[in-house]
Amino acid sequence: AQSVTQPDIHITVSEGASLELRCNYSYGATPYLFWYVQSPGQGLQLLLKYFSGDTLVQGIKGFEAEFKRSQSSFNLRKPSVHWSDAAEYFCAVGATGGFKTIFGAGTRLFVKA
Amino acid sequence: GAGVSQSPRYKVAKRGQDVALRCDPISGHVSLFWYQQALGQGPEFLTYFQNEAQLDKSGLPSDRFFAERPEGSVSTLKIQRTQQEDSAVYLCASSPTGALNEQFFGPGTRLTVL
Repeated sequence: AQSVTQPDIHITVSEGASLELRCNYSYGATPYLFWYVQSPGQGLQLLLKYFSGDTLVQGIKGFEAEFKRSQSSFNLRKPSVHWSDAAEYFCAVGATGGFKTIFGAGTRLFVKA
Repeated sequence: GAGVSQSPRYKVAKRGQDVALRCDPISGHVSLFWYQQALGQGPEFLTYFQNEAQLDKSGLPSDRFFAERPEGSVSTLKIQRTQQEDSAVYLCASSPTGALNEQFFGPGTRLTVL
């Protein structure tokens, strides 16, 4: 069965510092991979997605993620965090030919001045 | 409006009551999803519609949960005889094409069962 693990429940980063949020997935074939962000009082918003091709994908708001098949990982990165990036981040996986998207439990990002 | 809307935003129900949650997807979007998000957790898939056809309802937790999208646009999630464990945020999302693409989420309905 598909599953998504986000090992870090919360992370605190100083403003201007770099960020990496971890995501590991379990799926037999090449998955469809997503990162969503949920800000307080807002709906989830897609940051980026990977379906195939270049394993380094660029998203909105300066985020990028790298698909590493050998590690079953899809970590999210940002070179310089802004205070407005404080939110909950969800990694998700979808199965080819299926309808379900499976979300991880999320990582809450705190940004300190 | 341009986005996905859900109503009501908040619902308090007494245990045993029936509730109906509404989702207005983005106009023209083929796919519609319902998720349940418990406190501190990620969204958990409930069901998927492609137009008016419910193609996957494997995530519905019990036969007390029922969803419909009769005309391929607005959808309603109904929960009968609510239980305390049904307390959660119910999220609706829509997508212009198939299931495995960007989903546009609504703000959710927070259901509290007393």
